[in-house]
Amino acid sequence: NAGVTQTPKFQVLKTGQSMTLQCAQDMNHNSMYWYRQDPGMGLRLIYYSASEGTTDKGEVPNGYNVSRLNKREFSLRLESAAPSQTSVYFCASSWEAINYGYTFGSGTRLTVV
Amino acid sequence: AQSVTQLGSHVSVSEGALVLLRCNYSSSVPPYLFWYVQYPNQGLQLLLKYTTGATLVKGINGFEAEFKKSETSFHLTKPSAHMSDAAEYFCAVAPMDSSYKLIFGSGTRLLVRP
Repeated sequence: NAGVTQTPKFQVLKTGQSMTLQCAQDMNHNSMYWYRQDPGMGLRLIYYSASEGTTDKGEVPNGYNVSRLNKREFSLRLESAAPSQTSVYFCASSWEAINYGYTFGSGTRLTVV
Repeated sequence: AQSVTQLGSHVSVSEGALVLLRCNYSSSVPPYLFWYVQYPNQGLQLLLKYTTGATLVKGINGFEAEFKKSETSFHLTKPSAHMSDAAEYFCAVAPMDSSYKLIFGSGTRLLVRP
C-alpha cells in the first residue's frame, strides 16, 4: 500500500512563479488536508476537504488554492509564490471519523527565492 | 478555541533513561488526543491516541501516554530511551465537534545521548 503520495519531494521556485503540489491517497479516505510545517511552529492547517466536492479554509489559507479533483486526489496551488511560503508541506488523509487520526505523506520541501 | 502546548522545544536524555514529553491542551470538553513522531526528512507517523475508555494508552516502540482530565494533560513517556527514539514528537488534539481537524503543538525534539 502506498498510503499518501506527494509530488514533488523538493522544489525551488522564484518569487512570483506558480506551482501545484500533488497529493493522492489509496486508502479510500473521505477527508484530506494540507499542512505547512515551519520551525518552532508545528503544523498549521492551510486547507482541508472533509469529503469529495467540498473544501474549506484552515488557519493559514492566504496565497493558496486547492482542488479536490476526486476522492483520491487533493492538490495545493501557489499562484504567485513568495519567500514567506518557503516551508515543508504535508498532505494527510483520514476517515470521516477523526478518532482514527491522520495518515501523512512524506512531504514537499519548497524553497522560494 | 482549542490549543495545544508542548513544554520544551528540545529534550535531551541519556540512552536508557526515562523519556517524558509534556503536552497540555485547552478544551472545555475532553478532545481526542494524539502523539505523532517525525523522523528526519519523513512525514509524521501515529504513535498512539486517546479517544475514549482507558486513560493509559500504549503505542508503538514502547511509548505510552496517560490522559489526565483534571490536569488537561496527555504526557508521553517511555521507560528507557533508545538511540533510535531521537526524533521530533508532536502532540495533537481533535475537537469533538466533528470538525475533522487536528490541532498540533509546536513539537519537541528528543535528543538521545549515548
